[in-house]
Amino acid sequence: EDQVTQSPEALRLQEGESSSLNCSYTVSGLRGLFWYRQDPGKGPEFLFTLYSAGEEKEKERLKATLTKKESFLHITAPKPEDSATYLCAVQAWKGGSEKLVFGKGTKLTVNP
Amino acid sequence: DTEVTQTPKHLVMGMTNKKSLKCEQHMGHRAMYWYKQKAKKPPELMFVYSYEKLSINESVPSRFSPECPNSSLLNLHLHALQPEDSALYLCASSQSGGSYEQYFGPGTRLTVT
Repeated sequence: EDQVTQSPEALRLQEGESSSLNCSYTVSGLRGLFWYRQDPGKGPEFLFTLYSAGEEKEKERLKATLTKKESFLHITAPKPEDSATYLCAVQAWKGGSEKLVFGKGTKLTVNP
Repeated sequence: DTEVTQTPKHLVMGMTNKKSLKCEQHMGHRAMYWYKQKAKKPPELMFVYSYEKLSINESVPSRFSPECPNSSLLNLHLHALQPEDSALYLCASSQSGGSYEQYFGPGTRLTVT
C-alpha cells in the first residue's frame, strides 16, 4: 500500500542552525509530492509541489528536493517564526480511491 | 489569491443539535474537500466534490452530510454528533482533482459536548 514516512518526528534547532527534514514514500506512479506548513490550530499552508526526481523548489529559507524514493525539505538559517509542523503528502491510491496521503509530520522548533 | 474561507471558526454543539459548517473559495477551483484533523495527527480525508458532484466518501458516518450548492461553496451538515467527533474540520480546494495542489482553509474547531 502507498505510504509516506516523515523523519524526525520532532526537531529542535537554534536560530541560524540549518538542517533537513525527510519524507520517504512508496507509491505506484508518483503524481505529485506536496509540502505543507501547519501552525497549531490552523489549516495547512501550501509550500511546494514536486513532480519528478531531480526537481527542486525554493522559497525564502526553504528548499525542497525530490528523488525517486524521498524528498527533503532543507531549512537554511532558520528563524523562530519557522517553528511549525511540516507535512509531506503524496497523491496516491489508497483504500480504493486517489487522494492525498499524508505523513505524520515533523514538528520543528527554532529557539532564538 | 489562494484563500479558502471557513465559518464559523469555533463551534460548540450538543449531541442533539444540528449545525452546519461552511466553506467558500473564489479561485475557480472545481474540486473541494472536507478533512477531519485530530490533535497531533495529519488531516484525514472525509469527502471530495469534483465539478459539484460527490466523488469520494471515505465511509464517513451519516451524521455528517456534505453539500455543494455551487462551484464556490461547500457545506458540511452535522447532526447527532458524538464527543469523539470533536476535531478541527478543514476545507480545501484544488484546480481539479488529481495532482494539483490543495489549498486549505483555516478550519473550524468543533467541540461536541
